[in-house]
Amino acid sequence: AQSVAQPEDQVNVAEGNPLTVKCTYSVSGNPYLFWYVQYPNRGLQFLLKYITGDNLVKGSYGFEAEFNKSQTSFHLKKPSALVSDSALYFCAVRRGGGSYIPTFGRGTSLIVHP
Amino acid sequence: EAQVTQNPRYLITVTGKKLTVTCSQNMNHEYMSWYRQDPGLGLRQIYYSMNVEVTDKGDVPEGYKVSRKEKRNFPLILESPSPNQTSLYFCASSSSGVYNEQFFGPGTRLTVL
Repeated sequence: AQSVAQPEDQVNVAEGNPLTVKCTYSVSGNPYLFWYVQYPNRGLQFLLKYITGDNLVKGSYGFEAEFNKSQTSFHLKKPSALVSDSALYFCAVRRGGGSYIPTFGRGTSLIVHP
Repeated sequence: EAQVTQNPRYLITVTGKKLTVTCSQNMNHEYMSWYRQDPGLGLRQIYYSMNVEVTDKGDVPEGYKVSRKEKRNFPLILESPSPNQTSLYFCASSSSGVYNEQFFGPGTRLTVL
């Protein structure tokens, strides 16, 4: 079985400060990890993914994420938050080896204050 | 423009009245799937399809049906909706391969009275 945990329902950060949205996972075999963002009344949009290689992955809108195999984590980060980054963020995992059923976390609401 | 479309966007219905939510993608993707999003539960996969005429159950398939007669379309059918199927539904598509990201539709908010 595979699972994803996003331990924080909500993250608050001031504009201009760095932000981190946490994600830990559990999966047998090699993980394929994804971050998606959902703006109000919209579908999910892909931000970035880790497949293999460099542990630091860069994605859209200045976001990046660091894959840490020993801690089974894939935290989303951004050096300087914008008010427009306020949204719901989802971490997801798929298992290498052919499982087509991804597991999503419950989502973290990011609120960036002006 | 590459996109996934869903219709209707909003639907209020009554228990037991059959309904279909349509999903279409214009990216020639092999893989399509349906999710429901509920507060505190994140997204859960209902059904997925790896290609035309190939469908399989996700984590929460009970009460739903799907079909994949054409590559671009993947309708979700609720034969006898019940109030516990009140939810926000998303269709998604991607190229084949578990390492590919998914493209999501705008969502369908369904209320079953």
